[in-house]
Amino acid sequence: AQTVTQSQPEMSVQEAETVTLSCTYDTSESDYYLFWYKQPPSRQMILVIRQEAYKQQNATENRFSVNFQKAAKSFSLKISDSQLGDAAMYFCAYRGMNYGGSQGNLIFGKGTKLSVKP
Amino acid sequence: KAGVTQTPRYLIKTRGQQVTLSCSPISGHRSVSWYQQTPGQGLQFLFEYFSETQRNKGNFPGRFSGRQFSNSRSEMNVSTLELGDSALYLCASSLIGQSHNEQFFGPGTRLTVL
Repeated sequence: AQTVTQSQPEMSVQEAETVTLSCTYDTSESDYYLFWYKQPPSRQMILVIRQEAYKQQNATENRFSVNFQKAAKSFSLKISDSQLGDAAMYFCAYRGMNYGGSQGNLIFGKGTKLSVKP
Repeated sequence: KAGVTQTPRYLIKTRGQQVTLSCSPISGHRSVSWYQQTPGQGLQFLFEYFSETQRNKGNFPGRFSGRQFSNSRSEMNVSTLELGDSALYLCASSLIGQSHNEQFFGPGTRLTVL
């Protein structure tokens, strides 16, 4: 069974600084998707960034980028120029390849609570 | 385009009762998944529906059930509520049941069981 581990329950960053959130996963599959989701106190889960395992290039979305190390099964999220609005729970998630009309379920890590200090 | 909507947003029930939660996906989305979020267990997958058929199911007891209607709206039902069922229940929709499609989450229903 696939598992996702986030080893940092809480992180803190100064506004405008850079922070990296860690995520490791375990799978025997070769093709899959990895995600970082953000859940602010309002609770609405928002997709931050997505990585397809078959792509070697690391995904980037504005101030958010990932460091995807497939062999090491590592998928960290880097937030540059941190803003107060970045404060939230961040969840790393895995989804395998599925067929037959099923998109497959997301397997989440326990989350990292990010605080941003002004 | 309106996002995923879930009703009700808050619910308080007592042990032994049953509850029905509703999820309306984004217009045009045909796949709906449900997740339970608790402080102890984190986010856990309940089930997925696509074209009115359950396509995937998580490891939850039979007290948890769901269905999807022809307009893609989905409901989940929990019977004989237990204290441990207190959680945030999240619904997510996607365009069709394919792995590469992004799931869009609703705001959740906060269920409290007393």
